[in-house]
Amino acid sequence: GIQVEQSPPDLILQEGANSTLRCNFSDSVNNLQWFHQNPWGQLINLFYIPSGTKQNGRLSATTVATERYSLLYISSSQTTDSGVYFCAVEQAGNQFYFGTGTSLTVIP
Amino acid sequence: DAGVIQSPRHEVTEMGQEVTLRCKPISGHDYLFWYRQTMMRGLELLIYFNNNVPIDDSGMPEDRFSAKMPNASFSTLKIQPSEPRDSAVYFCASARGSYGYTFGSGTRLTVV
Repeated sequence: GIQVEQSPPDLILQEGANSTLRCNFSDSVNNLQWFHQNPWGQLINLFYIPSGTKQNGRLSATTVATERYSLLYISSSQTTDSGVYFCAVEQAGNQFYFGTGTSLTVIP
Repeated sequence: DAGVIQSPRHEVTEMGQEVTLRCKPISGHDYLFWYRQTMMRGLELLIYFNNNVPIDDSGMPEDRFSAKMPNASFSTLKIQPSEPRDSAVYFCASARGSYGYTFGSGTRLTVV
């Protein structure tokens, strides 16, 4: 099956810093999503981004499908950004396969 | 919209007992997914439905696991008999067409 690799696995930031999270996938995909799992375990859909660039406030994402990667940018990080960020990809049938995540800790 | 609703939020049961997890998807969504999350294996897709019909259950770990979707507004995931290694957080998610998922808050299952 398709492999979804995320980097870095862990990241610690000072509040206010910027960061880039990366998602590589081993095969062509139809769709890609980014999720944030907060410290309470809730999974929140951040972006649905099969290609191109999207922005939502301090977060933005870019997917280059032809090169099989996606990037999630977090600017001016806040403590509420802490949690685990997952990338999930779909090849067919609306089944999304998740990467192992990037664990982000933002310290004040 | 109340989002995807899962119940119970927490379940503690003894090994060998039957466990039933419930999910109410978002109205109008035609896809429903059951995922399991553990530290060792991350997020695993167990089964998904399209228009109440099971499409792919290849992720269901064993015959002890079964899932049903009797109508568009309700699904269950049943484990019988439960074992300690089934302890995990079980998520339900729904989607409309090929648009993104919305997850429920999950059920944390502990089998002792």
